[in-house]
Amino acid sequence: EADIYQTPRYLVIGTGKKITLECSQTMGHDKMYWYQQDPGMELHLIHYSYGVNSTEKGDLSSESTVSRIRTEHFPLTLESARPSHTSQYLCASSETSGSRGEQYFGPGTRLTVT
Amino acid sequence: DAKTTQPTSMDCAEGRAANLPCNHSTISGNEYVYWYRQIHSQGPQYIIHGLKNNETNEMASLIITEDRKSSTLILPHATLRDTAVYYCIVRVGKTSYDKVIFGPGTSLSVIP
Repeated sequence: EADIYQTPRYLVIGTGKKITLECSQTMGHDKMYWYQQDPGMELHLIHYSYGVNSTEKGDLSSESTVSRIRTEHFPLTLESARPSHTSQYLCASSETSGSRGEQYFGPGTRLTVT
Repeated sequence: DAKTTQPTSMDCAEGRAANLPCNHSTISGNEYVYWYRQIHSQGPQYIIHGLKNNETNEMASLIITEDRKSSTLILPHATLRDTAVYYCIVRVGKTSYDKVIFGPGTSLSVIP
């Protein structure tokens, strides 16, 4: 069972609000990722991190920002939510050594911006 | 860009083997083939991975061609719960610092 958590699971919010999606893992993994997925569509990598104080942009341009101040925590922030941000956001983590290197995914946050 | 191509969708009869193909003709010598699946809107789940030898675990078998340009994921006795989108990914492996990119995958429907 993967120990990676995302909160909130569902969020409905108005346009212009600032939101932070939380992602935490208790496995001590050094690498973490954020993916965006619209219903029935493929996963798009929007941010990833190799470790503390490391953040990189993924393949899909996103207005969101991320931070990695602690190993276990990788929050995603939208300064001003818009309807175009409505989507599911999936967080994942993986480790560099000692395992198969697979990603573990959280349950996702389904965001709706009205 | 995704480095793999997979059929968009497949059907399989319940109880039969499901064989899901993946082409990765530009795979490098140090890249592994990983398979994940995503059931409905849950987060993807790791299934199996391999470098050049065939692999088997409790979930599935992975057959990689000798030239490593393609592979097949085999679910030996498909059940209705195996209905999902299956993703084939190539990456350097656990020590990699590359992006992990998912393509559109194959939507497998297991038919009663």
